[in-house]
Amino acid sequence: DAGITQSPRYKITETGRQVTLMCHQTWSHSYMFWYRQDLGHGLRLIYYSAAADITDKGEVPDGYVVSRSKTENFPLTLESATRSQTSVYFCASSDPGLRGWNQYFGPGTRLLVL
Amino acid sequence: DQQVKQNSPSLSVQEGRISILNCDYTNSMFDYFLWYKKYPAEGPTFLISISSIKDKNEDGRFTVFLNKSAKHLSLHIVPSQPGDSAVYFCAASAHRLKYSGNTGKLIFGQGTTLQVKP
Repeated sequence: DAGITQSPRYKITETGRQVTLMCHQTWSHSYMFWYRQDLGHGLRLIYYSAAADITDKGEVPDGYVVSRSKTENFPLTLESATRSQTSVYFCASSDPGLRGWNQYFGPGTRLLVL
Repeated sequence: DQQVKQNSPSLSVQEGRISILNCDYTNSMFDYFLWYKKYPAEGPTFLISISSIKDKNEDGRFTVFLNKSAKHLSLHIVPSQPGDSAVYFCAASAHRLKYSGNTGKLIFGQGTTLQVKP
């Protein structure tokens, strides 16, 4: 199906483990984004990408790594998970042709770090 | 420093009445503003937007007002329906200017949870 998907939808892991959250979009949007949603903070940008092999830090990048070898995929890796990374993670995509740079969001991944 | 602020964490209104959600911003370079709606266990979805060259944009029951001098925007929902109960995020961008470097970045507020009571 067309759209933007995230996997897994739910993940429980332990402190210190490496975790990778997947994001896949079928629109061929050039821009992709990773956000985390926490109570009282709204949506905060972790990393974004303007195109394949081009990534840049957002507001809260520490402890996260991204890559974008293909336009349609934008995985987010927590190299050594910490409890403070317990959150809901959203992937989004956008295209310069979209009015106002509207972003389309995936359904989210709820991550619990024990 | 929070550049986009939604100072009301929650709002409760009666069905059929008007809902007014507010958003303030500090960066005068922002030139496009969007509202997103989010239901539990789903991603945010685009609702309505407004360019800084306008002061009002209307789409059905939803109207967004922009007051540039006050750096304030508001979303009006009339009439409110129980299905409107959700978290609403305002977002701002400066995509035409150097600030964002045309990255398409959006700066989001903290969100306001709207409850519409039947």
